[in-house]
Amino acid sequence: AAGVIQSPRHLIKEKRETATLKCYPIPRHDTVYWYQQGPGQDPQFLISFYEKMQSDKGSIPDRFSAQQFSDYHSELNMSSLELGDSALYFCASSLAGYGYTFGSGTRLTVV
Amino acid sequence: QQPVQSPQAVILREGEDAVINCSSSKALYSVHWYRQKHGEAPIFLMILLKGGEQKGHDKISASFNEKKQQSSLYLTASQLSYSGTYFCGTFSGGGADGLTFGKGTHLIIQP
Repeated sequence: AAGVIQSPRHLIKEKRETATLKCYPIPRHDTVYWYQQGPGQDPQFLISFYEKMQSDKGSIPDRFSAQQFSDYHSELNMSSLELGDSALYFCASSLAGYGYTFGSGTRLTVV
Repeated sequence: QQPVQSPQAVILREGEDAVINCSSSKALYSVHWYRQKHGEAPIFLMILLKGGEQKGHDKISASFNEKKQQSSLYLTASQLSYSGTYFCGTFSGGGADGLTFGKGTHLIIQP
């Protein structure tokens, strides 16, 4: 069965650089979510999209933005990167109101 | 508001039972349960909706007490594969809102 695909798996960036993370949800899933997880922490909700429209916003910094495209893939754009942005970034998809399927994540390291 | 999970950690021998609790101060629409192994994506276990129904598959089940805004996850006859961090996720709305996860319960199963 198709899963949620995230790319890249690993990313190393320097401070103040920009990063773009991509997510390809499971076909026919109408909702995409982005989460940030620091080492030993719980996943923190960033933002969600329902049918390509922004649906809910969590603790997403103003330096971050996201969008969902006509083919349903989503991108998380992160600018002016800080050391504290180093984390695992998960994308998940679902049918609205149902359980999430998470991608394998992108490990971002800011140096 | 973040749900509160207890206990923070549990160490069991294979075959023993465990209960993990999740409570919220806000009225809940549903409760999700996920298991995450180190460095991997969270895996969806089950969703509990308002109504207090108990769900389960295999030797893992859960209940949701709507009046108390509490959910409990029951693992019976634990197997080595049950090791990991268990997160409950809650939201008070419906549809495409993002889940707020608890801080997690670390479960270690020893042979």
